[in-house]
Amino acid sequence: DTGVSQNPRHKITKRGQNVTFRCDPISEHNRLYWYRQTLGQGPEFLTYFQNEAQLEKSRLLSDRFSAERPKGSFSTLEIQRTEQGDSAMYLCASSLGSSNTEAFFGQGTRLTVV
Amino acid sequence: GESVGLHLPTLSVQEGDNSIINCAYSNSASDYFIWYKQESGKGPQFIIDIRSNMDKRQGQRVTVLLNKTVKHLSLQIAATQPGDSAVYFCAERALLSGGSNYKLTFGKGTLLTVNP
Repeated sequence: DTGVSQNPRHKITKRGQNVTFRCDPISEHNRLYWYRQTLGQGPEFLTYFQNEAQLEKSRLLSDRFSAERPKGSFSTLEIQRTEQGDSAMYLCASSLGSSNTEAFFGQGTRLTVV
Repeated sequence: GESVGLHLPTLSVQEGDNSIINCAYSNSASDYFIWYKQESGKGPQFIIDIRSNMDKRQGQRVTVLLNKTVKHLSLQIAATQPGDSAVYFCAERALLSGGSNYKLTFGKGTLLTVNP
């Protein structure tokens, strides 16, 4: 499979629990992005990696959120002490080079906090 | 602050008609504008982009027009098909704080429904 892969596709968790999502980008893509999307809205930028370096974090990314890309390949997004407001679709995208506007998105992980 | 928005949240067309989806933006510093298509349960899919120094770009059945004077972007879909039914987002590419990398800022989306 040559697309961006995200796991799990769906996650239901109780408020206060920690969750972790995984993203496997397209193999040769060195740039990886996390976005959050709520119903009826466009994706909102959360954070960006170039290889293993996290170069940018949005103000939306509170201290309960942490993202890693330890070997410059797959990435994980962890949310600690989840809140109902964290319920959303979490999208991962990857791209090759800064001149390439064609970021490829995964199918997302839909998080529901109950 | 920067923002990207859409004039119409929903658009319903007959199969075979042309569709026009509009978008307004406010960040004059964006160097690229991009249209994405998102089907239910899927991530956004790239359709076409246009560099800020261009005013028109054509793809297969799609045309993007950019009017920098009024900060307006549109996506035209020719001979709309049922498979075109989806939410369409415009996005602008802007520099991240480091100065050499970019992020996408998306608008709210327009739901296109194609009636057979």
